[in-house]
Amino acid sequence: DARVTQTPRHKVTEMGQEVTMRCQPILGHNTVFWYRQTMMQGLELLAYFRNRAPLDDSGMPKDRFSAEMPDATLATLKIQPSEPRDSAVYFCASGLVLGTHTQYFGPGTRLTVL
Amino acid sequence: RKEVEQDPGPFNVPEGATVAFNCTYSNSASQSFFWYRQDCRKEPKLLMSVYSSGNEDGRFTAQLNRASQYISLLIRDSKLSDSATYLCVVEGGTALIFGKGTTLSVSS
Repeated sequence: DARVTQTPRHKVTEMGQEVTMRCQPILGHNTVFWYRQTMMQGLELLAYFRNRAPLDDSGMPKDRFSAEMPDATLATLKIQPSEPRDSAVYFCASGLVLGTHTQYFGPGTRLTVL
Repeated sequence: RKEVEQDPGPFNVPEGATVAFNCTYSNSASQSFFWYRQDCRKEPKLLMSVYSSGNEDGRFTAQLNRASQYISLLIRDSKLSDSATYLCVVEGGTALIFGKGTTLSVSS
């Protein structure tokens, strides 16, 4: 049963620290998405990739967030420096066809910035 | 107008009840529509796609009204296990746009 995996599952850090979240998409999927979910805003798209190339990261605060895909099996989302308002659940999702196909979500990283 | 809008609820219903959720979307060019389900502290999972002709999957029926730009989800004979948040999802060109969800609580 192929799944998207994410690490860490939980992260508590102090304001100003760097946070790195990792995602392993389902093998063979060519699109990867990063979302942030909060009670107030719901699911917000931060960035997405197709064939490892970033297609859109307009949803990300550019000054502190960065997303990369070093290879087809790893996507990373970094926050530096982190702020309390970054506290949220960060989901990675992967899919086969950009936009119109279903997405498969990982279990998420629950981030708390103190 | 928000891109995808849903009544957040909560909808509190007894077991066996029929419940319906609606969702409106703003982009008339959208071609694909879905309902996702999200359990508490879990990731969203695809419940069903929504087709123009309407589609049914067991106790779940999804309908699309392109003229009015809304999507509906009907759940018949509600079970306790149906308690979750239901997310309306609309294709937005190159990405999916998620509504904030409607919370359903089914009680015995």
